[in-house]
Amino acid sequence: DSGVTQTPKHLITATGQRVTLRCSPRSGDLSVYWYQQSLDQGLQFLIQYYNGEERAKGNILERFSAQQFPDLHSELNLSSLELGDSALYFCASSPREGLAGEQLYNEQFFGPGTRLTVL
Amino acid sequence: AQKITQTQPGMFVQEKEAVTLDCTYDTSDPSYGLFWYKQPSSGEMIFLIYQGSYDQQNATEGRYSLNFQKARKSANLVISASQLGDSAMYFCAMRVPSGGYNKLIFGAGTRLAVHP
Repeated sequence: DSGVTQTPKHLITATGQRVTLRCSPRSGDLSVYWYQQSLDQGLQFLIQYYNGEERAKGNILERFSAQQFPDLHSELNLSSLELGDSALYFCASSPREGLAGEQLYNEQFFGPGTRLTVL
Repeated sequence: AQKITQTQPGMFVQEKEAVTLDCTYDTSDPSYGLFWYKQPSSGEMIFLIYQGSYDQQNATEGRYSLNFQKARKSANLVISASQLGDSAMYFCAMRVPSGGYNKLIFGAGTRLAVHP
């Protein structure tokens, strides 16, 4: 158990709908990272928040948005859902900001994931 | 371009034997980190082992070791004495600086099946 929690575990919805995925980081971790794992694209970094502010952005669609709240939990909002959005969505937390030049070591702890199915 | 390549979509190994999962990477940045994660059928991502680009020795964690060949840009995972519970997807990943922040990029994965 990494200490990172994600809810819900499974989500089934229809095209065109909007969903919110929730992540609670490990106690004390300030960074939250979101990843998407799909069959055709593999595992891709979406976005990172640190202490409530957006830091790094990856291959995140404009239909997707995220935020990190004062209690450090994060939500990933997916709107106008398409069939291709079906995937496993992971969040990971870290105590570090992840600045380039920081000493690199294993510092991301992954949650169990939310499996989204769009029908 | 920064890239991770895992050329083996699937691998089979007999229980108690050793197996090597291949990973090559491409980056022009001198500072990077290499990771291996295990993803069992339940879906969670389990960290296995880490190697920093400046580390002089190959990383080891129990039955896992990372064969780091910097000049060849390879970071192969060696699992010794395979167990049935090792059957899973294995992902190689690289953490590199990008746009001021570190970014984690993943390979396509290798599915390992351990046979009794």
